[in-house]
Amino acid sequence: EPEVTQTPSHQVTQMGQEVILRCVPISNHLYFYWYRQILGQKVEFLVSFYNNEISEKSEIFDDQFSVERPDGSNFTLKIRSTKLEDSAMYFCASTPYGGRVGETQYFGPGTRLLVL
Amino acid sequence: AQSVTQLDSHVSVSEGTPVLLRCNYSSSYSPSLFWYVQHPNKGLQLLLKYTSAATLVKGINGFEAEFKKSETSFHLTKPSAHMSDAAEYFCVVSGPRGSQGNLIFGKGTKLSVKP
Repeated sequence: EPEVTQTPSHQVTQMGQEVILRCVPISNHLYFYWYRQILGQKVEFLVSFYNNEISEKSEIFDDQFSVERPDGSNFTLKIRSTKLEDSAMYFCASTPYGGRVGETQYFGPGTRLLVL
Repeated sequence: AQSVTQLDSHVSVSEGTPVLLRCNYSSSYSPSLFWYVQHPNKGLQLLLKYTSAATLVKGINGFEAEFKKSETSFHLTKPSAHMSDAAEYFCVVSGPRGSQGNLIFGKGTKLSVKP
C-alpha cells in the first residue's frame, strides 16, 4: 500500500541554523500538508499546499517557514533560522483530491526535530 | 471555532476487555470527525471517519464510533482489546468552513493493554 514517507526520522540542530524536512507524498496525490506536535501538546496545522502554491496557513507559519515542491515527488518544509521552540514532531500529509473538508489525509511517520 | 477534547490522556485495559476512548467536539457547523491511531515510530493511520452519513461508523481492526450530536461526542469503542491495539489515539475534527481541509486534533489518548 502506498505510504507517505519522511526524512530524516530525527534531526538535531543548533539554534539559528536552517533545517529542511523532507516528505514524499503518495504519488497521485494533489494536496499536501504540514503539521507539528510540540511534546505534550496537540498536533497543530501549519500549512496546506496545492498546485505549487500555499493554499492556507496557520498563525504558526510565519516568515521563518517556507514550503516547496522542488520536483515531482518531494515536498519540503524549511525553517530558516531555528528557535528552541521549533523543537517538535513534524508530520507531512497528503490527500488525493482537492483538500475538501472530510477528505482522508494520509500521514507520514514524522520527523522529530530537536533544536539545541 | 472548532475544537476537540479528549477526556483521558491515558487509558489502560486488560486484553479481551472493552475499550472506550472519549472525545467531545465543538463546532459551529456539522463537522467531519475522524479517529487516527499512531503506533510507535509509525505515521498517523486513519481508523474511521464520520462525514454526515450513518451516525455509527465502523472502522478498521474492530473499532467503531458513534456520532451523537446532542452530546457533541464521538467516542471510540472496541468490544475486545488486543495487545496490538496499544498505541496513541487522536480524535480529529475538520477545520473551519471554507478551510482547505486542515484538521484540528485532540491531545491524544494513550491506550495501554495489559496481558
